[in-house]
Amino acid sequence: GDSVTQMQGQVTLSEDDFLFINCTYSTTWYPTLFWYVQYPGEGPQLLLKVTTANNKGISRGFEATYDKRTTSFHLQKASVQESDSAVYYCVLGGHDSGYNKLTFGKGTVLLVSP
Amino acid sequence: EAAVTQSPRSKVAVTGGKVTLSCHQTNNHDYMYWYRQDTGHGLRLIHYSYVADSTEKGDIPDGYKASRPSQENFSLILELASLSQTAVYFCASSDPTLSNERLFFGHGTKLSVL
Repeated sequence: GDSVTQMQGQVTLSEDDFLFINCTYSTTWYPTLFWYVQYPGEGPQLLLKVTTANNKGISRGFEATYDKRTTSFHLQKASVQESDSAVYYCVLGGHDSGYNKLTFGKGTVLLVSP
Repeated sequence: EAAVTQSPRSKVAVTGGKVTLSCHQTNNHDYMYWYRQDTGHGLRLIHYSYVADSTEKGDIPDGYKASRPSQENFSLILELASLSQTAVYFCASSDPTLSNERLFFGHGTKLSVL
């Protein structure tokens, strides 16, 4: 079945640092890739979608890229702010029993200090 | 803006007792989901539903039942709560005409089984 591996459990940065989070995936279907973000006390929400057409997605200063050769996708931001502190999930979209099933990674906790 | 409301926001239950978690959405979405969130496991799908009066098993359905009496309402039922079911539970909805790619989550229910 589909799977997604998110190795970084926690990332600690200071404001204006560069952020890079990496995930790898496995699927027999054409992959659709997403990043979801969960702020404290809230449910997860869609941050951006990586379209395999141009291998990139951009939203709110975050950029995600996709590498079909290594079956990996990454989330990066040039300069993080304290308000970016949250849990970031890489998510693989696929087909299961006739509907587009989402498979979530384990999440990366981002802590940004001022 | 899409709205998914969960109740209660938190609950303490005794081992062996019955627990019902409720979810109400005003998005007019056909699909609804129950996820469980545990540290180190991310989000895992318990049950989902794509139409009223019908539910489907997700990846970890054992020990849980679901009920979808209407398009707007979706409940998760723990007939015999166990310690291992202590977790945060999230309800979500999605629109199949948009490939179910964007899930709208509620704020979660923190369940503690003692």
